[in-house]
Amino acid sequence: EAQVTQNPRYLITVTGKKLTVTCSQNMNHEYMSWYRQDPGLGLRQIYYSMNVEVTDKGDVPEGYKVSRKEKRNFPLILESPSPNQTSLYFCASSPYARANYGYTFGSGTRLTVV
Amino acid sequence: RKEVEQDPGPFNVPEGATVAFNCTYSNSASQSFFWYRQDCRKEPKLLMSVYSSGNEDGRFTAQLNRASQYISLLIRDSKLSDSATYLCVVNIPGGSYIPTFGRGTSLIVHP
Repeated sequence: EAQVTQNPRYLITVTGKKLTVTCSQNMNHEYMSWYRQDPGLGLRQIYYSMNVEVTDKGDVPEGYKVSRKEKRNFPLILESPSPNQTSLYFCASSPYARANYGYTFGSGTRLTVV
Repeated sequence: RKEVEQDPGPFNVPEGATVAFNCTYSNSASQSFFWYRQDCRKEPKLLMSVYSSGNEDGRFTAQLNRASQYISLLIRDSKLSDSATYLCVVNIPGGSYIPTFGRGTSLIVHP
Protein backbone atom coordinates (compact mmCIF):
# COMPACT_ATOMS: atom_id res chain seq x y z
CA GLU A 1 0.00 0.00 0.00
CA ALA A 2 1.34 3.43 -0.98
CA GLN A 3 1.76 5.45 2.16
CA VAL A 4 3.70 7.87 4.31
CA THR A 5 4.56 6.41 7.70
CA GLN A 6 5.33 8.56 10.71
CA ASN A 7 6.50 7.43 14.10
CA PRO A 8 5.70 7.81 16.89
CA ARG A 9 2.01 8.74 16.74
CA TYR A 10 2.08 10.23 20.21
CA LEU A 11 5.01 11.52 22.24
CA ILE A 12 5.30 13.29 25.57
CA THR A 13 8.76 14.53 26.40
CA VAL A 14 10.53 16.99 28.66
CA THR A 15 12.11 20.29 27.74
CA GLY A 16 15.60 19.90 26.33
CA LYS A 17 15.54 16.18 25.63
CA LYS A 18 16.49 15.57 22.00
CA LEU A 19 14.00 13.66 19.94
CA THR A 20 13.51 12.45 16.38
CA VAL A 21 10.26 11.91 14.55
CA THR A 22 10.70 9.53 11.65
CA CYS A 23 8.98 9.75 8.27
CA SER A 24 9.20 7.20 5.50
CA GLN A 25 7.42 6.96 2.14
CA ASN A 26 7.26 3.97 -0.21
CA MET A 27 6.18 5.80 -3.38
CA ASN A 28 9.61 6.90 -4.64
CA HIS A 29 8.54 10.52 -4.22
CA GLU A 30 11.16 13.21 -4.71
CA TYR A 31 9.53 15.89 -2.57
CA MET A 32 9.01 15.56 1.17
CA SER A 33 7.97 18.11 3.73
CA TRP A 34 7.22 18.60 7.41
CA TYR A 35 4.31 20.67 8.74
CA ARG A 36 3.05 21.59 12.14
CA GLN A 37 -0.60 22.31 12.80
CA ASP A 38 -1.78 24.49 15.65
CA PRO A 39 -5.32 25.68 16.46
CA GLY A 40 -6.12 28.89 14.64
CA LEU A 41 -2.87 28.86 12.70
CA GLY A 42 -3.47 26.07 10.22
CA LEU A 43 -0.69 24.06 8.62
CA ARG A 44 2.72 25.71 8.56
CA GLN A 45 5.69 24.31 6.71
CA ILE A 46 8.80 23.63 8.78
CA TYR A 47 11.27 22.20 6.25
CA TYR A 48 11.06 20.61 2.86
CA SER A 49 13.27 18.53 0.63
CA MET A 50 13.30 18.55 -3.15
CA ASN A 51 15.39 15.37 -3.35
CA VAL A 52 18.16 13.46 -1.62
CA GLU A 53 20.63 15.78 0.14
CA VAL A 54 18.54 18.84 -0.83
CA THR A 55 16.67 20.48 2.04
CA ASP A 56 15.39 24.00 2.65
CA LYS A 57 13.62 26.02 5.32
CA GLY A 58 9.91 26.53 5.30
CA ASP A 59 7.99 29.17 7.21
CA VAL A 60 8.82 28.07 10.76
CA PRO A 61 12.21 26.27 10.81
CA GLU A 62 13.53 27.57 14.14
CA GLY A 63 14.25 24.80 16.61
CA TYR A 64 14.10 22.01 14.03
CA LYS A 65 16.57 20.11 11.87
CA VAL A 66 16.05 17.66 9.04
CA SER A 67 18.14 15.39 6.88
CA ARG A 68 17.51 13.56 3.61
CA LYS A 69 20.18 10.92 3.22
CA GLU A 70 17.87 8.50 1.43
CA LYS A 71 14.97 9.21 -0.86
CA ARG A 72 12.41 7.40 1.29
CA ASN A 73 13.28 8.89 4.70
CA PHE A 74 12.97 12.43 6.02
CA PRO A 75 13.37 12.57 9.81
CA LEU A 76 12.53 15.66 11.86
CA ILE A 77 14.93 16.37 14.71
CA LEU A 78 14.26 18.56 17.72
CA GLU A 79 17.65 19.07 19.34
CA SER A 80 16.32 20.83 22.44
CA PRO A 81 12.51 20.75 22.48
CA SER A 82 10.61 23.54 24.19
CA PRO A 83 6.94 23.78 25.23
CA ASN A 84 6.14 26.03 22.25
CA GLN A 85 6.92 23.06 20.01
CA THR A 86 3.95 21.20 21.41
CA SER A 87 1.91 20.61 18.29
CA LEU A 88 0.52 18.14 15.77
CA TYR A 89 3.16 17.32 13.15
CA PHE A 90 2.58 15.95 9.68
CA CYS A 91 5.01 14.62 7.14
CA ALA A 92 3.96 14.81 3.49
CA SER A 93 5.35 13.70 0.16
CA SER A 94 4.70 14.42 -3.49
CA PRO A 95 6.12 12.97 -6.69
CA TYR A 96 7.70 16.26 -7.71
CA ALA A 97 7.76 19.84 -6.45
CA ARG A 98 7.55 21.55 -9.83
CA ALA A 99 4.42 19.89 -11.12
CA ASN A 100 0.75 19.75 -10.53
CA TYR A 101 0.70 16.99 -7.94
CA GLY A 102 -1.03 16.83 -4.62
CA TYR A 103 0.49 15.59 -1.41
CA THR A 104 0.15 12.40 0.60
CA PHE A 105 0.30 12.95 4.34
CA GLY A 106 1.37 10.71 7.16
CA SER A 107 -1.03 10.04 10.03
CA GLY A 108 0.52 12.69 12.23
CA THR A 109 2.58 12.85 15.41
CA ARG A 110 1.06 14.55 18.43
CA LEU A 111 3.97 15.96 20.44
CA THR A 112 3.70 17.38 23.93
CA VAL A 113 6.74 19.05 25.50
CA VAL A 114 6.45 19.64 29.24
CA ARG B 1 -2.86 40.19 3.48
CA LYS B 2 -2.58 36.44 3.93
CA GLU B 3 -1.53 34.55 0.82
CA VAL B 4 -4.39 32.07 1.02
CA GLU B 5 -7.60 32.91 2.87
CA GLN B 6 -10.64 30.88 3.77
CA ASP B 7 -13.73 31.61 5.81
CA PRO B 8 -13.24 29.41 8.89
CA GLY B 9 -16.99 28.84 9.33
CA PRO B 10 -18.42 26.67 10.70
CA PHE B 11 -20.93 26.15 7.95
CA ASN B 12 -23.82 24.35 9.58
CA VAL B 13 -26.13 22.75 6.99
CA PRO B 14 -28.85 20.07 6.97
CA GLU B 15 -28.44 16.80 5.12
CA GLY B 16 -29.23 17.18 1.46
CA ALA B 17 -28.23 20.83 1.28
CA THR B 18 -25.86 22.34 -1.25
CA VAL B 19 -22.96 24.24 0.24
CA ALA B 20 -20.11 26.17 -1.33
CA PHE B 21 -16.79 27.40 0.01
CA ASN B 22 -14.41 29.91 -1.51
CA CYS B 23 -10.69 30.32 -1.08
CA THR B 24 -8.90 33.47 -2.21
CA TYR B 25 -5.22 33.74 -3.05
CA SER B 26 -3.05 36.81 -3.39
CA ASN B 27 -0.31 35.75 -5.81
CA SER B 28 -1.58 36.03 -9.37
CA ALA B 29 1.24 33.80 -10.62
CA SER B 30 0.01 30.86 -8.53
CA GLN B 31 -0.16 27.56 -10.32
CA SER B 32 -1.84 24.30 -9.25
CA PHE B 33 -4.69 24.39 -6.77
CA PHE B 34 -6.15 21.67 -4.58
CA TRP B 35 -8.86 20.95 -2.07
CA TYR B 36 -8.13 18.68 0.88
CA ARG B 37 -10.42 17.24 3.49
CA GLN B 38 -9.31 16.90 7.10
CA ASP B 39 -11.24 15.04 9.76
CA CYS B 40 -10.68 15.96 13.39
CA ARG B 41 -7.14 15.10 14.53
CA LYS B 42 -6.47 13.17 11.31
CA GLU B 43 -4.21 13.87 8.38
CA PRO B 44 -5.40 15.98 5.41
CA LYS B 45 -6.44 13.89 2.43
CA LEU B 46 -6.50 15.07 -1.15
CA LEU B 47 -10.09 15.61 -2.24
CA MET B 48 -9.55 16.99 -5.71
CA SER B 49 -7.31 19.08 -7.88
CA VAL B 50 -8.71 22.27 -9.35
CA TYR B 51 -8.25 22.73 -13.06
CA SER B 52 -8.74 25.88 -15.11
CA SER B 53 -11.73 24.31 -16.82
CA GLY B 54 -13.25 23.23 -13.51
CA ASN B 55 -13.74 19.64 -12.50
CA GLU B 56 -16.43 17.47 -10.99
CA ASP B 57 -16.24 14.29 -8.97
CA GLY B 58 -19.64 12.96 -8.01
CA ARG B 59 -21.26 15.45 -5.64
CA PHE B 60 -18.18 17.67 -5.56
CA THR B 61 -17.37 20.43 -8.04
CA ALA B 62 -14.23 22.56 -7.94
CA GLN B 63 -13.73 25.71 -9.94
CA LEU B 64 -10.96 28.24 -10.49
CA ASN B 65 -11.51 31.92 -11.17
CA ARG B 66 -8.14 33.38 -12.12
CA ALA B 67 -9.47 36.87 -12.80
CA SER B 68 -10.79 37.20 -9.25
CA GLN B 69 -8.12 34.93 -7.78
CA TYR B 70 -10.23 32.40 -5.98
CA ILE B 71 -11.09 28.74 -6.09
CA SER B 72 -14.38 27.25 -4.98
CA LEU B 73 -15.71 23.91 -3.80
CA LEU B 74 -19.37 23.03 -4.19
CA ILE B 75 -20.87 20.06 -2.38
CA ARG B 76 -24.30 18.91 -3.49
CA ASP B 77 -26.68 16.69 -1.53
CA SER B 78 -24.60 16.96 1.66
CA LYS B 79 -24.16 13.81 3.75
CA LEU B 80 -23.44 13.54 7.47
CA SER B 81 -20.09 12.03 6.49
CA ASP B 82 -19.13 15.25 4.68
CA SER B 83 -18.65 16.91 8.07
CA ALA B 84 -14.97 17.86 8.16
CA THR B 85 -12.61 20.76 7.62
CA TYR B 86 -11.87 21.61 4.00
CA LEU B 87 -8.44 23.04 3.24
CA CYS B 88 -7.47 24.79 0.06
CA VAL B 89 -3.89 24.60 -1.13
CA VAL B 90 -2.27 26.95 -3.59
CA ASN B 91 1.17 26.35 -5.03
CA ILE B 92 2.97 29.66 -4.80
CA PRO B 93 5.78 30.05 -7.35
CA GLY B 94 9.27 30.50 -6.03
CA GLY B 95 12.46 28.54 -6.53
CA SER B 96 10.07 25.65 -6.61
CA TYR B 97 6.36 25.71 -6.06
CA ILE B 98 5.68 26.16 -2.37
CA PRO B 99 2.37 24.68 -1.24
CA THR B 100 0.53 27.20 0.89
CA PHE B 101 -2.43 26.01 2.93
CA GLY B 102 -5.47 27.97 3.88
CA ARG B 103 -6.56 27.60 7.50
CA GLY B 104 -9.58 25.58 6.51
CA THR B 105 -13.35 25.88 6.47
CA SER B 106 -15.31 23.77 8.93
CA LEU B 107 -18.46 22.04 7.64
CA ILE B 108 -21.02 20.47 9.94
CA VAL B 109 -23.83 18.52 8.29
CA HIS B 110 -26.70 17.76 10.68
CA PRO B 111 -29.67 15.42 10.33
